[in-house]
Amino acid sequence: AQKVTQAQTEISVVEKEDVTLDCVYETRDTTYYLFWYKQPPSGELVFLIRRNSFDEQNEISGRYSWNFQKSTSSFNFTITASQVVDSAVYFCAVNYGGSQGNLIFGKGTKLSVKP
Amino acid sequence: GAGVSQSPSNKVTEKGKDVELRCDPISGHTALYWYRQSLGQGLEFLIYFQGNSAPDKSGLPSDRFSAERTGGSVSTLTIQRTQQEDSAVYLCASDLWGAGGYTFGSGTRLTVV
Repeated sequence: AQKVTQAQTEISVVEKEDVTLDCVYETRDTTYYLFWYKQPPSGELVFLIRRNSFDEQNEISGRYSWNFQKSTSSFNFTITASQVVDSAVYFCAVNYGGSQGNLIFGKGTKLSVKP
Repeated sequence: GAGVSQSPSNKVTEKGKDVELRCDPISGHTALYWYRQSLGQGLEFLIYFQGNSAPDKSGLPSDRFSAERTGGSVSTLTIQRTQQEDSAVYLCASDLWGAGGYTFGSGTRLTVV
C-alpha cells in the first residue's frame, strides 16, 4: 500500500537559513507520481511540484529545489535562504494505485521561519 | 471561475442532522476530488470524479457519505446523520486531466456539536 512519511513534525529556522524537509514514500507501483503541497496559515493548499518516478533529475525553481532519490524512496524539498513568507505546513504525497490523481499525503511538516 | 469555490466556508450542525457541502471547480476541469483534513487523520482522500466515468468512491468512510457531480461541473458532498467524528475541513480540488497537480478550494470547516 502507498504510504508517505514526513518524520519532521515541526521545524523552526531563522530567516535566510537553508532548510530541508524530508519525505520518504512507499509504493508497490513501478510508475508513480510524487508531489509537494504548501498550506500557508490562510489554509488553502497550494500545489508546488509533481515528479514522475522515471525522472530522477533534481529540479530547481527559484529558492526551491527537490531531490528525488529512487534508491532510498525519498523526495526531499529544500528551501534556500528561507523567508518569513515560507512559513507554512508542507505536505508530501504519492499517487494512489493506478490513479494518477488520487493522492496519499504525509502528515505534513510545519515550518516556522523567524525574522 | 478563477479558482475552486466551496460553500459554505463554515458549517456548524447538530449531531444527527444531514449536511450538504458544495464545490464549484475551475471551469473546464474534468477531474474533481474531495478530501478531508482533520487533526488526527491528516489529509484523507474521499472521492474522485473524472469526466463521465463512474466515480472512485473508495475513500468514503461510511455509507453516510455520498457525493454527486451534476453536468460534469458542480459537486455536492452529502453527509447524513452527522457524527462528531465527521468534524473536519472538507476540501475540494479540481484538475484538468486528473494528473494530481490540482487546485484546492479553501475548504468547508464542518463542526458537529
